[in-house]
Parts: sequence; C-alpha cells; structure tokens
Amino acid sequence: EVQLSESGGDLVQPGGSLRLSCVASGFTFSNYAMSWVRQAPGKGLEWVSDISGSGGSTYYADSVKGRFTISRDNSQNMLYLQMNSLRAEDTAVYSCAKAYSGAYYFEYWGQGTLVTVSS
Amino acid sequence: EIVLTQSPGTLSLSPGERATLSCRASQSFRSRYLAWYLQKPGQAPRLLIYGASSRATGIPDRFSGSGSGTDFTLTISRLEPEDFAVYFCQQYVTSPWTFGQGTKVEIK
Repeated sequence: EVQLSESGGDLVQPGGSLRLSCVASGFTFSNYAMSWVRQAPGKGLEWVSDISGSGGSTYYADSVKGRFTISRDNSQNMLYLQMNSLRAEDTAVYSCAKAYSGAYYFEYWGQGTLVTVSS
Repeated sequence: EIVLTQSPGTLSLSPGERATLSCRASQSFRSRYLAWYLQKPGQAPRLLIYGASSRATGIPDRFSGSGSGTDFTLTISRLEPEDFAVYFCQQYVTSPWTFGQGTKVEIK
C-alpha cells in the first residue's frame, strides 16, 4: 500500500524559513517523480514543484522559483521542500504527491502539513 | 499557462441523481492529458480519472470522464452519499500543471 506522510509545517514569520519532509512507502521510491502541491485555506490546488526520480531534474512554479528548493534522498525514501523568504501568500497545506510514471497526474497524495506565515 | 475553468461552482443534487461537471481549458489539448480528483473536507485529493476518460484503480464505474480539445466533462451516473465532495480537474499537458478551482457537489 502506497503511503505518503508529510511533516514540518509550522507557524513562521514573514521572511523566515521552513523545511518540509515527506516519507514514502509501498513503492520503489527512486523510480518515480514526486511533487509538492499546496492548498491555501478555502482555496483550490496549486502545483509547487516537481523532482525526477533520480533527483537530477527539478521544476518550480513561478510563484516559488528562487525561494523554494525541492530535493530527495532515495536511500531514505524521503522528499523535502526547503522554503526560504516565506510570504503570507505561502500560507497553505502542503502535500507531497506521487506522479504516475511518465505523466504528471497524481496517483497518491499525503494528508498534508500546514504552513502558516504570519507575524 | 493553461487556465482551467470549472462549472458550475456548486451543484445541489439528491442521492441517486446524475451529476455533470464541466472543465474548460484556455488552450486546446492535442493530447487528452486531463485528470479529475475528488476531495472531502480534511482529506487528501483522490484520483478518479486520468487521460480524460480512464478510471483510476478502484474507482466505481458510475464515474466517467469524456471530452477533448478545450471541453471536458466528469459524469457521476447516480450519486451515492459518499460522492458529495469537491471535484477538481487538472491538466498535465504542459508545465506548470494547473488545476481548476473546483466544483462542490452538495446534498440538495
């Protein structure tokens, strides 16, 4: 059974930093691209970032480019999102998601972790 | 960026009724790279449909997807109590992957 579980969400001041983690199980982690998707309170879904199975390719939404960094540790089945220079508009539930092989629709999602950016 | 517009915003129906949800894209798709998800409050989204019309594993056949070009439809043939939720469409034709704003299917 595929399981994804995020952690690391917290209340942080504007301009601050946070690192989110996602532990994966139930599939061969290194074979699949992974993504982060966020959902602001009461709002829709917004794609944030992708990383290839090897970790060699990364992609970002314009809204986070230059501030967020996605990475992975395939030996530990872990996905990360380093978030710097946080803004109020980054407040959201952040979920990791497993992309289907070869296509970026999301077969499995974690429950998400809440990031609140506020002074 | 491909913008997806879902309609209606809210659909009020009774169990047993048919639901028809629309997702319109700002650009035509040459490939049918559109997915549908269901989300209940406090839960992660669940994949229903990919490739515009292929049901994901374990999804009952009352859910069906159709469409091409710029217009896509999710149909729920007979609503079950567990189907009342918010539905999102998503395109994966070109990055950035984008989602519609959602259609809420509520009990009438």
